[in-house]
Parts: sequence; C-alpha cells; structure tokens
Amino acid sequence: DAKTTQPPSMDCAEGRAANLPCNHSTISGNEYVYWYRQIHSQGPQYIIHGLKNNETNEMASLIITEDRKSSTLILPHATLRDTAVYYCIVRVHHQAGTALIFGKGTTLSVSS
Amino acid sequence: EPEVTQTPSHQVTQMGQEVILRCVPISNHLYFYWYRQILGQKVEFLVSFYNNEISEKSEIFDDQFSVERPDGSNFTLKIRSTKLEDSAMYFCASSRTGYQPQHFGDGTRLSIL
Repeated sequence: DAKTTQPPSMDCAEGRAANLPCNHSTISGNEYVYWYRQIHSQGPQYIIHGLKNNETNEMASLIITEDRKSSTLILPHATLRDTAVYYCIVRVHHQAGTALIFGKGTTLSVSS
Repeated sequence: EPEVTQTPSHQVTQMGQEVILRCVPISNHLYFYWYRQILGQKVEFLVSFYNNEISEKSEIFDDQFSVERPDGSNFTLKIRSTKLEDSAMYFCASSRTGYQPQHFGDGTRLSIL
C-alpha cells in the first residue's frame, strides 16, 4: 500500500495557487518525496521531487516540512490544463531503480 | 523534448492469445519499467529492468508475463495467455539512472475479449 495520505479531491479557481498537501509520517531518511500527475487517459507525468530541501522547477514548487512528515505541492497559477489526479509518492533511491507505488491521489479540479 | 513511445495505442485480443506490447524508451535511458492501470483503479507496478535483467517485480508479474529488450531501442512486455482480468492500460516508463525520475509513455489500452 501507498505510504502517503492525500485528500481525495480539491478545487481551485483558474489563476490562483493550488496547494496540494501530502502526509508521509512514516517516511525513512533515505526516501525521497515525488509528485506525479495523471491527466485523463494519459500516462503519469513527473512534476518534481525532493529529499528535505524545498524545490522549485518550471512546473511547481515542493515544500517539505522540517520533520519530513508532510509536504505541499504548489502550482503557483493554476490553469484549466492542470486539472488532473496528483500523486504524492515516497521512493527510495537505489542504483537498481525502484518502483513507484501509486495511491489514489488527489483529484484537482481547476475551474474558470 | 524526448518522450517514451508506446505502440499500439489500443490492442484487442481474444482470451488465451499471446500479446506483445511495445515501448521505445527515451534514447539515453538505461532503466525500464512496466506498470498497469485497470479502469478506475490505481497505477500498479509490474516490473523493472536494467542491464538486460529484471531488477524488481511485483506479485502481479507472474509466469504469464515476460519482458525483453530485443534490440537497442525497444522494450517489450509479453503476456503469454491472456485472461479477461488482464484488460487494462499498460504504461512503459524509463529513467536515465536508478536515482532519477521515471518518465512515462501514454500507454497501450489492452482489451481482452
């Protein structure tokens, strides 16, 4: 089973920031926090990942609490195209490559 | 931007038949994965493949399943004798190293009749 807990759904107005929370209270020291999203009928799309520092890229920002037990994905200016299921996943990095264990995620609905 | 390509986009097969799903990973990637998603359910890991051998597999990946990298560009998933419950979206993914994000294709929808 997934080691993360996310709200099943969230709504956001277009142009506003979308803040998606994730709890991972049993995360281990060598586990990274990954975020993916899945737009209807497409494959999961990588968004961002981090270990303990906050991260930002062209898609989003990832804020990880100091105790690493929770994190927030921030889409700074949500658009209609950001409507998707967002998955928070914890994953060990290993040279052999490790599986992504998907949960049910958060369905984000962006409306105009 | 390079992407993972999967063919066909939709495959319809009679129960009991063999099916091969094909994937072209991103060209400089060395790690390859298969996942599946039954309609309305979670994405599930099947298998990971590196250096011409399976590095990890799930309970779903039983003797009916096999993977192969037949040449320098393709990565295939074979289901030997399909069952109705094999109907799902099958996603291929690849990563450059074991430490980097996996990038997914848009999947093959497999329908078993």
